[in-house]
Amino acid sequence: DVKVTQSSRYLVKRTGEKVFLECVQDMDHENMFWYRQDPGLGLRLIYFSYDVKMKEKGDIPEGYSVSREKKERFSLILESASTNQTSMYLCASSLSGQGARNIQYFGAGTRLSVL
Amino acid sequence: SQKIEQNSEALNIQEGKTATLTCNYTNYSPAYLQWYRQDPGRGPVFLLLIRENEKEKRKERLKVTFDTTLKQSLFHITASQPADSATYLCAWDSSYKLIFGSGTRLLVRP
Repeated sequence: DVKVTQSSRYLVKRTGEKVFLECVQDMDHENMFWYRQDPGLGLRLIYFSYDVKMKEKGDIPEGYSVSREKKERFSLILESASTNQTSMYLCASSLSGQGARNIQYFGAGTRLSVL
Repeated sequence: SQKIEQNSEALNIQEGKTATLTCNYTNYSPAYLQWYRQDPGRGPVFLLLIRENEKEKRKERLKVTFDTTLKQSLFHITASQPADSATYLCAWDSSYKLIFGSGTRLLVRP
């Protein structure tokens, strides 16, 4: 079974802090993704990566950056956390391609509160 | 741009009935559509995938249809159970990424 592990289930940070969310997958997937999910807004793509050291902006990249130094690990960084970044953050991974290769496997999520 | 829509109102049904959830898309027709289940406070879990040229796909009590004329996919759960209560998301396979609908919450009453 594919396993995607997010480092924290719950996180509380203060405004202005630098926040790191870590995600690790164990299936040698090429693609990794970071989403945030808010009530009524669904899943919104922040960034994704299709290879080591490669990244692409998603729909809402402002205020975030990412790092992928190793294939299995994809980090989301909030450079200076703000209250409007309070949300559920979900990491996912997939193979490269369409159809069955594009099935995404999600972590359990990190609920981040910025006070 | 591609847009995918699901009914935001919750679907409330009696145990044993068939639940039918709708996913509509606009503009381009996706080559594939995927369906996921999400429980509260958890990440989505993949359920089924259907290709553009497939009319129907089944897996146990689940059935997905894909109608390119209506630009719609329907997701059915037959003989529904309270354990089927969750939010169901459809997703447009856009090659290297997925475009998700906002999900429909299903509540199955005992």
